Amino acid sequence: GAVVSQHPSRVICKSGTSVKIECRSLDFQATTMFWYRQFPKKSLMLMATSNEGSKATYEQGVEKDKFLINHASLTLSTLTVTSAHPEDSSFYICSATPPRGRNSPLHFGNGTRLTVT
Amino acid sequence: QKEVEQNSGPLSVPEGAIASLNCTYSDRGSQSFFWYRQYSGKSPELIMFIYSNGDKEDGRFTAQLNKASQYVSLLIRDSQPSDSATYLCAVNGPGTASKLTFGTGTRLQVTL
Repeated sequence: GAVVSQHPSRVICKSGTSVKIECRSLDFQATTMFWYRQFPKKSLMLMATSNEGSKATYEQGVEKDKFLINHASLTLSTLTVTSAHPEDSSFYICSATPPRGRNSPLHFGNGTRLTVT
Repeated sequence: QKEVEQNSGPLSVPEGAIASLNCTYSDRGSQSFFWYRQYSGKSPELIMFIYSNGDKEDGRFTAQLNKASQYVSLLIRDSQPSDSATYLCAVNGPGTASKLTFGTGTRLQVTL
């Protein structure tokens, strides 16, 4: 089945630093990847759609200058949390879908637990 | 009105019983419906998806879709303690393939 790999799985950083999270599709090419954020006991909230070779599309309320997304190849998208603050501490999950049709299921990476101290 | 609604639970069922998880959605144009299971601290994993009205069975799981009522459910037969998790209902967003909107999830507890 489709495999999405995410790295790192856990990161602790100091306030004001930047953190990069990688999302890779291991056995398929993904022109589109999705970045979600999940706070404790809450549902997944879509942050942005990462488009290979073009700018990401951000959801309302998500600061594009704070959450930088780069999708430089068909198998890799990165999310950089810039100048992280404690309120950015969350579970970040990427997802992608194999190009089998418009309604193909999303497959998720294992997530990255970010803690900003 | 939330786009995808689920009862947060917890839903408690004894081992071996049938667990019934429900989800309603607001956008009549939705075409694809997904059930994900999420264990605490882990990312969601796909359980089932359904596109057409009616039932779809896969092992112990049955997804049911009623587009007229804007309702999708997941039945888990012979529930096991390992089924204890949060079950997320997801619906593809209006007009956009693969852009899913998630419900808040129902926490299922299967008791011994």
